[in-house]
Amino acid sequence: DGGITQSPKYLFRKEGQNVTLSCEQNLNHDAMYWYRQDPGQGLRLIYYSQIVNDFQKGDIAEGYSVSREKKESFPLTVTSAQKNPTAFYLCASSIVGTKSYNEQFFGPGTRLTVL
Amino acid sequence: DAKTTQPNSMESNEEEPVHLPCNHSTISGTDYIHWYRQLPSQGPEYVIHGLTSNVNNRMASLAIAEDRKSSTLILHRATLRDAAVYYCILRDESGGGADGLTFGKGTHLIIQP
Repeated sequence: DGGITQSPKYLFRKEGQNVTLSCEQNLNHDAMYWYRQDPGQGLRLIYYSQIVNDFQKGDIAEGYSVSREKKESFPLTVTSAQKNPTAFYLCASSIVGTKSYNEQFFGPGTRLTVL
Repeated sequence: DAKTTQPNSMESNEEEPVHLPCNHSTISGTDYIHWYRQLPSQGPEYVIHGLTSNVNNRMASLAIAEDRKSSTLILHRATLRDAAVYYCILRDESGGGADGLTFGKGTHLIIQP
């Protein structure tokens, strides 16, 4: 089955530790995205990548880093510089086209809790 | 992207139609109207999109006002599985579709059995 996988589903870390969230897709999509969601809120864009070896900051990139070495993978690192990292993290992918109605496909999310 | 306004929550009965409104008075001529929904503890999923004309697909219908300043997502026969947060999102056509989506808080749809 084609889709997006995120692992793990739940992640606990101590304050001050960096943590890397995994996102893999087998949809052959060029674009991938990371969003953060806090309770009762909508999603906010952290980083996105339209092509391998290239990525752009979203609205709330501070305290996060990403890499895009392979088309199918877009890991997100939550660094110790992120002041409030506890949140639900969602990865998505889409094709890159000439029109803005390209559907984004989302993974199941990783719920990160920093203790 | 232009801003959208949705009610915080709506309630409906199972097997009845549901009309979810969205106001977007500052919409530009090149903005597409997208709807996504998010079931509890899951990632969002695409529902439907449109530009000017009403649209139908297997999940829902999208009715767009003639002046495009508002739209309505229609679930023709709600089931308990339709209980979710529904997001109305505008996307500029010139964006190429590879930048991120801007989510508001959406409408929390409650379905009563």
